[in-house]
Amino acid sequence: KNEVEQSPQNLTAQEGEFITINCSYSVGISALHWLQQHPGGGIVSLFMLSSGKKKHGRLIATINIQEKHSSLHITASHPRDSAVYICAEGSLGSARQLTFGSGTQLTVLP
Amino acid sequence: EAGVVQSPRYKIIEKKQPVAFWCNPISGHNTLYWYRQNLGQGPELLIRYENEEAVDDSQLPKDRFSAERLKGVDSTLKIQPAELGDSAVYLCASSPDAGELFFGEGSRLTVL
Repeated sequence: KNEVEQSPQNLTAQEGEFITINCSYSVGISALHWLQQHPGGGIVSLFMLSSGKKKHGRLIATINIQEKHSSLHITASHPRDSAVYICAEGSLGSARQLTFGSGTQLTVLP
Repeated sequence: EAGVVQSPRYKIIEKKQPVAFWCNPISGHNTLYWYRQNLGQGPELLIRYENEEAVDDSQLPKDRFSAERLKGVDSTLKIQPAELGDSAVYLCASSPDAGELFFGEGSRLTVL
């Protein structure tokens, strides 16, 4: 059974700081997803990647397949980035079966 | 383009009562998921549909939970009877393929 571990569980930062959230998984994957969940429950897909790095605005996601590790970086953080960030992986052979981490609660203070 | 629509957003019921949640996925998305999310945890899959076929319902508590996706579009998730431990957010998501997921806003259930 694949395990998805995120760290840290909670993170508080000052506005403008560079933020890193980590995700580790235990078996080979077909894709790694980063998701953002705001209070109220709605989840938005940020990235889906299977190798290398992707960038969208101030968000950057990287993945190291050999080390089974992915990171989500936020540059120049802003209070509106405050949310829960969740990583999820799709195992090899069945990308539709996702295993989710428990999330990282990020709070960015003004 | 409309996103994934779920209703109701919030539901409060007493234990042993039935409850139903509805999901309308994005048009053209063949894959539909129902997830349950407890406070402070990531979503857990309840059931996955490919068109109208339930292809993964291994985590669905079949003694009290049921789901259907008639005509491969809208889906309903039902709990009967509800228990205190069923309090959670029930999330619906859809995907056009094995790629990006699109989530609804969720239905928050409180069982008293």
